Amino acid sequence: SQQGEEDPQALSIQEGENATMNCSYKTSINNLQWYRQNSGRGLVHLILIRSNEREKHSGRLRVTLDTSKKSSSLLITASRAADTASYFCAKETSGSRLTFGEGTQLTVNP
Amino acid sequence: DAGVIQSPRHEVTEMGQEVTLRCKPISGHNSLFWYRQTMMRGLELLIYFNNNVPIDDSGMPEDRFSAKMPNASFSTLKIQPSEPRDSAVYFCASSLGRAVEKLFFGSGTQLSVL
Repeated sequence: SQQGEEDPQALSIQEGENATMNCSYKTSINNLQWYRQNSGRGLVHLILIRSNEREKHSGRLRVTLDTSKKSSSLLITASRAADTASYFCAKETSGSRLTFGEGTQLTVNP
Repeated sequence: DAGVIQSPRHEVTEMGQEVTLRCKPISGHNSLFWYRQTMMRGLELLIYFNNNVPIDDSGMPEDRFSAKMPNASFSTLKIQPSEPRDSAVYFCASSLGRAVEKLFFGSGTQLSVL
């Protein structure tokens, strides 16, 4: 089964709005990563946050990690139609194993 | 750099046939991963190589699946014999070093087994 849950499964917003996606996990992690997948393409790495970090920024992306709640969130600010894609969190656990969540399908309407 | 290159892009075959998927990782990357993506099961790690050596093959579904990495610039995933339930998108990814800290994915092979 997948290591961790993501919600929502699908999110539809208007251009300019912020999009927030959440990821939870069950076992301890070394780091947590977020990836993006456009339809019919491979995944693209967006951002990594280590287990001893609480927040990280990259451009319009903000990632938070709460290890006490075993959860992370990805915030995309001022969304654009080009942000339409599926977003996956991936957890690195012991043994250098990277396990992906089920993904959130984001649709940004122009 | 051209990125991770996978071939073929699409493969349609009949049940029982042998299928070989190919991957060329990014030059200088020494970790290579094969993932399978389906609607039902999401992204599953099949096998992980480091410096051409298989490190974790616990995700390989069964003996019908085999993977090789004869050198640093080439890997294959073979299914023999193929079954309809093997239909999926197969991704190859590579990364620097041993840590799985930033994977670069290929465009995938869409496999359909009829």
